[in-house]
Amino acid sequence: NAGVTQTPKFQVLKTGQSMTLQCAQDMNHEYMSWYRQDPGMGLRLIHYSVGAGITDQGEVPNGYNVSRSTTEDFPLRLLSAAPSQTSVYFCASSFTGGWNKNGYTFGSGTRLTVV
Amino acid sequence: KNEVEQSPQNLTAQEGEFITINCSYSVGISALHWLQQHPGGGIVSLFMLSSGKKKHGRLIATINIQEKHSSLHITASHPRDSAVYICAGVLMEYGNKLVFGAGTILRVKS
Repeated sequence: NAGVTQTPKFQVLKTGQSMTLQCAQDMNHEYMSWYRQDPGMGLRLIHYSVGAGITDQGEVPNGYNVSRSTTEDFPLRLLSAAPSQTSVYFCASSFTGGWNKNGYTFGSGTRLTVV
Repeated sequence: KNEVEQSPQNLTAQEGEFITINCSYSVGISALHWLQQHPGGGIVSLFMLSSGKKKHGRLIATINIQEKHSSLHITASHPRDSAVYICAGVLMEYGNKLVFGAGTILRVKS
C-alpha cells in the first residue's frame, strides 16, 4: 500500500498563477481533507470530502477549489496564487468516523512558495 | 482561546529523560490523536485514543475525558525523538473533522 501520495513535494509559483496539488490514496478511505500548516499556527482545514461527489469547506477555503470525482483522488486547486498562500500543505484521509483503529493517514506534504 | 491548547510550546531535554507533553481541549471530541512531525518531514499518527491509556514502545498516551486532558509521555528519550508533537481532537459534532493544537517542539540533546 502506498498510503497517501501527494505531489509535488515542492513548488514555486508567481503571483496570479494557478496550479493543482494532487492527493491520492489507495486505502479506500471515504474521508479526505486538505490542511495548510503555517509557522506558529496549528494545521488548518481548507476543504474536505466525505465521499466521491461530496465536498465541503473547512476553516480557510478562500482561494482554493476541490473536487472528488473518485474515492481515490482529491486534488486541491489554487485559482490565482497569492503570497499569503505560501505554506506547507498536507492531505489526509481516513475511514468515516475518523476514530477507527487506523486513525488518519497523512501525505508527506507540499511546500509551496508564492513569489 | 484556542479550542486545543498544548504545553509546553518548546521543550529541550537530555537524552534519557522522561518527557511529558500536555494537551487540553475545550470542545466535545470523540477521540484524540497524537501526531509526530520531524523537521521538513511528513506527519505520522502515533496514537488515537478515546479513553484510558495506550502504549507503543517508549511512548505512552493517556486521556481523561471528564477533565478534557491528554498527555503524551516519552520514556528514556533519545535524540531521534526530536520532532514536533501535535495533538488533534476529532470533533464530536462534525464526524471526521480534526481540530489541532499548535504543536510542541521537542529537542532531545545527547
